[in-house]
Amino acid sequence: QVQLVQSGAEVKKPGASVKVSCKASGYTFTGYYMHWVRQAPGQGLEWMGWIHPDSGGTNYAQKFQGRVTMTRDTSISTAYMELSRLRSDDTAVYYCARVVVPAAPAGWFDPWGQGTLVTVSS
Amino acid sequence: DIVMTQSPDSLAVSLGERATLNCESSQRLLYSSNNKNCLAWYQQKPGQPPKLLIYWASTRESGVPDRFSGSGSGTDFTLTISSLQAEDVAVYYCQQYYNTPYTFGQGTKLEI
Repeated sequence: QVQLVQSGAEVKKPGASVKVSCKASGYTFTGYYMHWVRQAPGQGLEWMGWIHPDSGGTNYAQKFQGRVTMTRDTSISTAYMELSRLRSDDTAVYYCARVVVPAAPAGWFDPWGQGTLVTVSS
Repeated sequence: DIVMTQSPDSLAVSLGERATLNCESSQRLLYSSNNKNCLAWYQQKPGQPPKLLIYWASTRESGVPDRFSGSGSGTDFTLTISSLQAEDVAVYYCQQYYNTPYTFGQGTKLEI
């Protein structure tokens, strides 16, 4: 079955960087755009951007421009999201989520990864 | 950016009763190529990722119980649960995928 499995929880100090991985299985990794969404504790969902696993092309939300980098390794069907210059308000659960429609950057998301908690604290 | 506003923020409904959740977008979400609205609904339970319920504003995802239905067009959308079950307690989010950034509503917390 189609599945996204993310890396484990991270604790980082302010100013550091974090890199979260998302391993895909059950489908052709390069055929579907991958998005990243985060959720601060007790808060709503915030879209961060997408990566096209085939070309490596990216589209980031303006809010994260200059701090986020989305990459992929097609040999292991894994997408990555790296966030730099971390602040305390970056503490959140980070999700990867696949667009359902093949080769479409926009659309509804399914499945989602299980989430990775990133805690930023001194 | 398109702002998505959900109402109410929280809602308490008796078991077996109807629940109506609203979502308003700051811009129209109509995709001209297929005349459908670029809106999805998700259900999120504590400690879990969101689960897709509805896309194109009214198309139910496979496996989702038929008590869930979506409606609306333009800028006003509704998720209806026709007969609330205990397992429907969750936070529900709408999301537009018409334009980046693909924004979500703030969520509606549904309780018994």
